[in-house]
Amino acid sequence: AQSVTQLGSHVSVSEGALVLLRCNYSSSVPPYLFWYVQYPNQGLQLLLKYTSAATLVKGINGFEAEFKKSETSFHLTKPSAHMSDAAEYFCAVTDLNTGNQFYFGTGTSLTVIP
Amino acid sequence: EAQVTQNPRYLITVTGKKLTVTCSQNMNHEYMSWYRQDPGLGLRQIYYSMNVEVTDKGDVPEGYKVSRKEKRNFPLILESPSPNQTSLYFCASKRASGGYPYNEQFFGPGTRLTVL
Repeated sequence: AQSVTQLGSHVSVSEGALVLLRCNYSSSVPPYLFWYVQYPNQGLQLLLKYTSAATLVKGINGFEAEFKKSETSFHLTKPSAHMSDAAEYFCAVTDLNTGNQFYFGTGTSLTVIP
Repeated sequence: EAQVTQNPRYLITVTGKKLTVTCSQNMNHEYMSWYRQDPGLGLRQIYYSMNVEVTDKGDVPEGYKVSRKEKRNFPLILESPSPNQTSLYFCASKRASGGYPYNEQFFGPGTRLTVL
């Protein structure tokens, strides 16, 4: 089965600082990759996705992620953190053929310090 | 408004008392799925459905049942709940056409279940 690993269950950054959330996948064939955000007491919302069309993917709210096959990584970044970015972030993967089964990482809780 | 709804949002029950969590979507999506979220474990897929009368197991199906008799509804059934099923449950749906494998999943607001 495929899997993703998120390094760092908690990340704290100062407002205005760079946000970097890490995600590594395990698959011999590059899968489809997703980043989701979960605000308190809400469901998940898609930030961005990698579909092999481009290695640098731009998403909503100023986030972007770069797919690096050599490093099996899909790290999420944002140049300048806002207070409103405080949330839980999940990396997820699905297979190329069916897109039926999804595997999520354990999540990274982002705290933004004023 | 396009949305996935779940009911109830909160439920406290006792071991062994059958319960159903409903999920409904108004986007005419073919694919629907159930997940559970536990601290430190992220989200794990329980069951999914590719269309009416077509369902399959996800990663953690034990102790759960599902049915898909209508396109818009995908209820999750716990016939004999146990305390280890205490969790936050999410339903999701997506289109099954035009880039299907990576179409966006839309999530419901979640159902927090406590089994005593």
